[in-house]
Amino acid sequence: KAGVTQTPRYLIKTRGQQVTLSCSPISGHRSVSWYQQTPGQGLQFLFEYFSETQRNKGNFPGRFSGRQFSNSRSEMNVSTLELGDSALYLCASSLSTGVDGYTFGSGTRLTVV
Amino acid sequence: AQSVAQPEDQVNVAEGNPLTVKCTYSVSGNPYLFWYVQYPNRGLQFLLKYITGDNLVKGSYGFEAEFNKSQTSFHLKKPSALVSDSALYFCAVRDMENSGYSTLTFGKGTMLLVSP
Repeated sequence: KAGVTQTPRYLIKTRGQQVTLSCSPISGHRSVSWYQQTPGQGLQFLFEYFSETQRNKGNFPGRFSGRQFSNSRSEMNVSTLELGDSALYLCASSLSTGVDGYTFGSGTRLTVV
Repeated sequence: AQSVAQPEDQVNVAEGNPLTVKCTYSVSGNPYLFWYVQYPNRGLQFLLKYITGDNLVKGSYGFEAEFNKSQTSFHLKKPSALVSDSALYFCAVRDMENSGYSTLTFGKGTMLLVSP
C-alpha cells in the first residue's frame, strides 16, 4: 500500500514569504502529526490532527498553522518565513492516536534564503 | 511532561560486534516506547515498539530493545552490527495514560557508525 506522501520534496523560499506543505497519510489513517527537524533542535512537535480536529499543538509561534481535511490529508502553512524556519518538515500518520506507532513521510526540505 | 534522553550523540562499533544505543525516558504514567531509524534525507522508519508484555521486544532488521521499568530505560541492541546499520537512531515515548492527548516525544538522536 502507498506510504505517507509529502509534497513538495524540496522548496526554496525567500524571507517574508509564506509556504504551504502537503501530507497525504496512509489510506485509513486518521491521525496526522507534523514535526520540524533541524540539526540543532532535533525533532520538534508542531501539531497533531485527528478527524479534522487539532488534538495537540507544540510550542511554535502562530506563524505556523495547519489543518486536516475530511479525507485525512493535511496541510501546514508557515507565514512570514524566517531564516530559522529552514528545516526538514516531517509528516507522520497513524491509525488512531499513535498507539500503533507512526509512519513517516520522506519530508519536505524547506530552505529560506 | 514527558521526555527522552539519548546520552550519546554518536556510537562507533566495528562490523560484526554487538551494538547498544541507549535511551532513558520520563513519563507520568506508563509509557509507549518506540525506536525509529533515519537514513540521510529520508523520513523516519519504524523499528520496534513496546506497549506492554515481554520486556524484550524484537523488531526489524535484527534489532531488539529491552524495557527496564525500574531504570526507565529502553536500550536498542543488535547482536552483530552491519555497515548498513549506520544511520541516525531516535527513541520516542508517549504517555499511555493520556495516549489520546499526549504527543510522541523524541530524543535528540544517536548517530550509529559501523566500520568495516
